[in-house]
Amino acid sequence: ILNVEQSPQSLHVQEGDSTNFTCSFPSSNFYALHWYRWETAKSPEALFVMTLNGDEKKKGRISATLNTKEGYSYLYIKGSQPEDSATYLCAFIDSGYALNFGKGTSLLVTP
Amino acid sequence: NAGVMQNPRHLVRRRGQEARLRCSPMKGHSHVYWYRQLPEEGLKFMVYLQKENIIDESGMPKERFSAEFPKEGPSILRIQQVVRGDSAAYFCASSPALAGDTGELFFGEGSRLTVL
Repeated sequence: ILNVEQSPQSLHVQEGDSTNFTCSFPSSNFYALHWYRWETAKSPEALFVMTLNGDEKKKGRISATLNTKEGYSYLYIKGSQPEDSATYLCAFIDSGYALNFGKGTSLLVTP
Repeated sequence: NAGVMQNPRHLVRRRGQEARLRCSPMKGHSHVYWYRQLPEEGLKFMVYLQKENIIDESGMPKERFSAEFPKEGPSILRIQQVVRGDSAAYFCASSPALAGDTGELFFGEGSRLTVL
């Protein structure tokens, strides 16, 4: 079982604030890192799939970076909006088949 | 293009009964994954299947749990002689490629099993 740690566990910000979360994973045998967004009463949806050290991906106001040598990824949200409220999951895969998920960071954005 | 379909969405069973959870992957997806979410826990990998083959079942309990993905029809996760500890949300995901080969997962909305 691969240990994927996410911090903080939860976060409460005001509309317009920028924020970031951390995902830590084993730095050996890296294959890919995924970020998912999970809104309440819906199913998780993929944000990014990252495979290369130094990768930076962006989708609108959300971006992510990857450092495979030290085993971490950051997810950034610029100018948070209430609709960004969700749980953000990261998942790591090594040479096996299973995506191993962290417990997520729960974000609440209030107007 | 329909997403990943899971049924039933909610299932109540008494201890000792059998639970069958179904998952129809997205059209064109041949990779199916089952995950379990226990209360206050994250998503835990159970099993990875391709058509007619179990590729990795390292996350599945050795007893009472089985999974299949037949040539025709949905993937089925079967839990025999359920116990209260099996109460959880079971999520199915599909992908067109291996999750490691940049194959993002597409999730269903989950099946919530309650064991009385």
